[in-house]
Amino acid sequence: KQEVTQIPAALSVPEGENLVLNCSFTDSAIYNLQWFRQDPGKGLTSLLLIQSSQREQTSGRLNASLDKSSGRSTLYIAASQPGDSATYLCASSKLTFGKGITLSVRP
Amino acid sequence: GAVVSQHPSRVICKSGTSVKIECRSLDFQATTMFWYRQFPKQSLMLMATSNEGSKATYEQGVEKDKFLINHASLTLSTLTVTSAHPEDSSFYICSAKRGGGGTEAFFGQGTRLTVV
Repeated sequence: KQEVTQIPAALSVPEGENLVLNCSFTDSAIYNLQWFRQDPGKGLTSLLLIQSSQREQTSGRLNASLDKSSGRSTLYIAASQPGDSATYLCASSKLTFGKGITLSVRP
Repeated sequence: GAVVSQHPSRVICKSGTSVKIECRSLDFQATTMFWYRQFPKQSLMLMATSNEGSKATYEQGVEKDKFLINHASLTLSTLTVTSAHPEDSSFYICSAKRGGGGTEAFFGQGTRLTVV
């Protein structure tokens, strides 16, 4: 059974810092990996989708990478802003979710 | 990205009653829809997967007679919580995919259910 782990559970950084959020998964037989953002009490917003044949995807200040062989994905956020404060979740193509990383960007 | 609309966003119901939550894909046809439950500060737990026109596949431990899922059209799936109890209070979220495993999933806004 696929297990998805995100460590740490919470992260606090000053505004402007570049940061990396990590996601690891146990079953490498995935079609894709997807990163989401969730604001408190809200649904999920899809940020990036990386297909299994790809190594990375970029959208604005966000860059996600995927290494199937090691069972890892990272979400890189450049020049963080207070508006980036949210919980970030990763999920495999079978939509098994990690517990998320709650990010707080301090002004 | 595609839009998935979930309704209602909040609902309060009395113990013993049933409540229906709707999930609609507004600008695409969703061959597969998923229902999740999320407890405070926890991740999403998949409850069931539904394909249009067929019976839903429930995850282990999820009571199919309590959580009724209907996916009668390519744009609408419903989750009915029957005979609700306070322990059913939770945040329920649906998601939809156009196709199979490699396609992107889009999520609704979630429904906060409180059973009193």
